[in-house]
Amino acid sequence: DAKTTQPNSMESNEEEPVHLPCNHSTISGTDYIHWYRQLPSQGPEYVIHGLTSNVNNRMASLAIAEDRKSSTLILHRATLRDAAVYYCILRGNTDKLIFGTGTRLQVFP
Amino acid sequence: GAVVSQHPSRVICKSGTSVKIECRSLDFQATTMFWYRQFPKKSLMLMATSNEGSKATYEQGVEKDKFLINHASLTLSTLTVTSAHPEDSSFYICSARLAGVPPYEQYFGPGTRLTVT
Repeated sequence: DAKTTQPNSMESNEEEPVHLPCNHSTISGTDYIHWYRQLPSQGPEYVIHGLTSNVNNRMASLAIAEDRKSSTLILHRATLRDAAVYYCILRGNTDKLIFGTGTRLQVFP
Repeated sequence: GAVVSQHPSRVICKSGTSVKIECRSLDFQATTMFWYRQFPKKSLMLMATSNEGSKATYEQGVEKDKFLINHASLTLSTLTVTSAHPEDSSFYICSARLAGVPPYEQYFGPGTRLTVT
């Protein structure tokens, strides 16, 4: 599975937008970009996924670069409940989700 | 949305005993389930992939005789930690994959915290 690179941590204030970057320069044409988040002492939670086009759902938006070598998870208005570790994962032909170190997002009131 | 449960949520056992953790997909059938472990402040590490009705596929470095996985039905997989030792203390998380077309979304259970004394 191709590797992703994310910042170790980011901070945001409540009600502000948050842009979480992910680099995946070795992505292959069939790799989907998945985002999961994990709140303390819980299992990961699916956030969003995409292949080539930008995606929106009730939780977040996913912006994918034209060359697909990077993507950005966008939380439009951060809340305290969004404080979590966010994982950007590439998923190819295998079933596996291989987690990297993720980005720890802190949200301040 | 799809729900995955785990039981128990917490377990404390004595060194040398075995512990069984259950993972259930509550509202969907999961042909494939996955088991992860997570140490404090670390990321999830995939232990094995479990396919219904067949033997689990273990990741490199994971002892199959120590971590027994059974996936007897489309809604239940179990992980048994045999002869547990304090170094097996960890947060164990399962996930279940929705069958069908890619990208095969996975849904995770809430995790089981194992403490071996």
